[in-house]
Amino acid sequence: AQKITQTQPGMFVQEKEAVTLDCTYDTSDPSYGLFWYKQPSSGEMIFLIYQGSYDQQNATEGRYSLNFQKARKSANLVISASQLGDSAMYFCAMMGNQGGKLIFGQGTELSVKP
Amino acid sequence: KAGVTQTPRYLIKTRGQQVTLSCSPISGHRSVSWYQQTPGQGLQFLFEYFSETQRNKGNFPGRFSGRQFSNSRSEMNVSTLELGDSALYLCASSLEVGGGALNTGELFFGEGSRLTVL
Repeated sequence: AQKITQTQPGMFVQEKEAVTLDCTYDTSDPSYGLFWYKQPSSGEMIFLIYQGSYDQQNATEGRYSLNFQKARKSANLVISASQLGDSAMYFCAMMGNQGGKLIFGQGTELSVKP
Repeated sequence: KAGVTQTPRYLIKTRGQQVTLSCSPISGHRSVSWYQQTPGQGLQFLFEYFSETQRNKGNFPGRFSGRQFSNSRSEMNVSTLELGDSALYLCASSLEVGGGALNTGELFFGEGSRLTVL
């Protein structure tokens, strides 16, 4: 069975500092994709970054980068230069061979302090 | 380019009633999936449609159903509402190219429909 684990229920970071949100996964599918989403209090799920299991390089999208360690089954999100607007819930999710079905972790609530 | 649109955004129903939620995907996207988010259970997959056919289904009772139309718009229906059905219902759309979202990473969500059952 597929599973996503986010072990940090909540985290604090000082504005302008970098922060790493942890995500580990478990799957037996030979190919899979890993997603990170941001969910502010309004409820919308905002796509941040994607990493395919066969991608050789770690994904980057602006201030977001994904530290993908396939052997350790981890896909940590790194946010550089945190901003007050980054305060939100962050979800790690995985898609396996069953296209269209995402398995989510429990989320990490990030609070950015001024 | 318009994003994923869900209607209604908020609604209140009473136990025993039924509800229909609508999702219009991003133009060109043919896959639509639905998720339920509650504080206790987190985000759970309901079902996924592609070209008007249900491809995947999560572990929800038969009271939860859905369909997809030829223009890729999708609806989900919950009959005989229970208090536990109170949740944020999120819809996502993806582009089917080759392996779909698995290859492209394009999987985008709407703002959700927040259902309260009294």
